[in-house]
Amino acid sequence: RKEVEQDPGPFNVPEGATVAFNCTYSNSASQSFFWYRQDCRKEPKLLMSVYSSGNEDGRFTAQLNRASQYISLLIRDSKLSDSATYLCVVTTKNFNKFYFGSGTKLNVKP
Amino acid sequence: EAGVAQSPRYKIIEKRQSVAFWCNPISGHATLYWYQQILGQGPKLLIQFQNNGVVDDSQLPKDRFSAERLKGVDSTLKIQPAKLEDSAVYLCASTDTRASYEQYFGPGTRLTVT
Repeated sequence: RKEVEQDPGPFNVPEGATVAFNCTYSNSASQSFFWYRQDCRKEPKLLMSVYSSGNEDGRFTAQLNRASQYISLLIRDSKLSDSATYLCVVTTKNFNKFYFGSGTKLNVKP
Repeated sequence: EAGVAQSPRYKIIEKRQSVAFWCNPISGHATLYWYQQILGQGPKLLIQFQNNGVVDDSQLPKDRFSAERLKGVDSTLKIQPAKLEDSAVYLCASTDTRASYEQYFGPGTRLTVT
């Protein structure tokens, strides 16, 4: 079983839509969680960390559900520039290992 | 602040040839990672260094891949001999764990093995 699993998509949504991605992880002892964004043929970049209490950054909201072992990313009022692949990242205790999901592709259409 | 530098950006080789990639992390970042990203997949960690010591190389195919970070700064990743399935983007990332656990990635080296 993979450490981190994501729906590959693609999610095709119109501008202004709200879209949500989930990511499940297999190790209940996982410590920290992140969402990275990767544009086509570019390197991944940190979008946001995911805290137990949930966190929001503008149009982006991340949530963690430890009981069900998943994290989510909600994007409100989608922009064309949000089109990218969103990678879920899970770390082990003490950040010894980072596990990346395969990514969820988002296409925002005019 | 300069980002993570990698070279070359692209490389095409034939199977059974050797290839080496170079990475210069962000100044002061003690932790350096090499990832392999195959098209359509997420990055897979190959090796992690803390200064010049190896923290994790459990997913490095040691029969053909090697990596070093002799002075705790620059790092090289070598493949010898290359196989068709090694075609991928090789990403280097660095972190200053004193400040945060955000990984800063370089632009990657796109390797094609024919």
